[in-house]
Amino acid sequence: AQSVTQPDIHITVSEGASLELRCNYSYGATPYLFWYVQSPGQGLQLLLKYFSGDTLVQGIKGFEAEFKRSQSSFNLRKPSVHWSDAAEYFCAVGTSSGTYKYIFGTGTRLKVLA
Amino acid sequence: NAGVMQNPRHLVRRRGQEARLRCSPMKGHSHVYWYRQLPEEGLKFMVYLQKENIIDESGMPKERFSAEFPKEGPSILRIQQVVRGDSAAYFCASSPGGQNLGYTFGSGTRLTVV
Repeated sequence: AQSVTQPDIHITVSEGASLELRCNYSYGATPYLFWYVQSPGQGLQLLLKYFSGDTLVQGIKGFEAEFKRSQSSFNLRKPSVHWSDAAEYFCAVGTSSGTYKYIFGTGTRLKVLA
Repeated sequence: NAGVMQNPRHLVRRRGQEARLRCSPMKGHSHVYWYRQLPEEGLKFMVYLQKENIIDESGMPKERFSAEFPKEGPSILRIQQVVRGDSAAYFCASSPGGQNLGYTFGSGTRLTVV
C-alpha cells in the first residue's frame, strides 16, 4: 500500500541554520512527490514538486528537495532558515497512473529560534 | 486571480445539526478535491468531483457525508447529523485537470461540533 512517512514530528532550528526535513514514501511505481507548507490556521501552499528528470528540485522560498529512488526518500532542505519559515511541512505522494489522490505524511512542525 | 475560496472559515455546529461547506475553485479549474485534516494528522482524501460528476468518493464516510459540484455555483460538502468526531479542518483543492500537477488548496473550513 502507498504510504508516506515523516519521521520527525517536531524540529527546532536556530535562525540562519540549515534545515533538512525527512520524507520516505512507499509506492511501487514512479511517484509524483510534493512538499507543502501550512502556516497556522491557513491552507497548504505548494513548495515544490517532482515528476521526473533532475532529481534535485528547486522550489519557492529558497527550498529544494532531492529525490533518491534507492532510498525512497524526498527530503526537503534549506541552507539558511528564516523566522518566517516556522510552519508545518507536509510531504505527499501522488500516483502516476493518472489518478489524483495524494497520500500525505503526518507533517513536521518547524520551530525557529531567534 | 482569486485562489480557491472556501467558506465559512469557521463553523460551529451542535451535535445532530447539518454542516454545509462551500468551495469555489480557481478560475479555469474544473476539478475539485476535498480533504479532511483531523487534529495532529495529515490530510486524508475524501472525494474528487468534476462539474456535475462525482469521480471518486472512496474516502467519504459511508453515511451522513455527501458532496456535489453543480454546473453553476460552488462545490458543497454536506455533513448531516454531525457528531463530535466530525470536528476537523476540511480543505478543498482545485486543478485545471486530473493530472498530478499539484493542487491549489483553499484556506479550509474548521468545523467544531459541540
